[in-house]
Amino acid sequence: GAVVSQHPSWVICKSGTSVKIECRSLDFQATTMFWYRQFPKQSLMLMATSNEGSKATYEQGVEKDKFLINHASLTLSTLTVTSAHPEDSSFYICSARLGSPLHFGNGTRLTVT
Amino acid sequence: GQQVMQIPQYQHVQEGEDFTTYCNSSTTLSNIQWYKQRPGGHPVFLIQLVKSGEVKKQKRLTFQFGEAKKNSSLHITATQTTDVGTYFCAARSNDYKLSFGAGTTVTVRA
Repeated sequence: GAVVSQHPSWVICKSGTSVKIECRSLDFQATTMFWYRQFPKQSLMLMATSNEGSKATYEQGVEKDKFLINHASLTLSTLTVTSAHPEDSSFYICSARLGSPLHFGNGTRLTVT
Repeated sequence: GQQVMQIPQYQHVQEGEDFTTYCNSSTTLSNIQWYKQRPGGHPVFLIQLVKSGEVKKQKRLTFQFGEAKKNSSLHITATQTTDVGTYFCAARSNDYKLSFGAGTTVTVRA
């Protein structure tokens, strides 16, 4: 089946630093990938849609200058959390589209100290 | 995106009993999907419902899509400890964005 790999699985960083999260579709090409965020004991909230070769589209309330998305190839999208702060600590999950349904990565647990 | 309301938020079930989680929308949904997320894990796709009144079964899990396509349910019979986790419904838009319900977190007492 379709596999989406997300790296790293977890990361701890200091406040003010930037963190890059990678999302790869391993056995298929994905022109569209989605980035979700999940705070503890809450649901998944869509942050942005990553489109290969064009700018990402962000959901309302998501700062595009803080959450930089790059989708440079058909198998890789990256999310960079810039100048991370403790309130950015969350579970970040990507998903890639190969028809329907979407295929989710394993998620990245970010802790900002 | 389309908003979906999901209840109950928590379900504490005796092993062997049945339970149901419900998902409702104020608008007609073209597509509803169900996911299961184990503690510490990522969402895992369970099923997709598209047709009005559709019913699908996966062993002890029964999924329904309402006739008006505004609600859906997941019924689990004879709950087992392996059923522990959070079950999410999600409405899919035409551009493949998913709007997740709040989830029902299930715990099982043996």
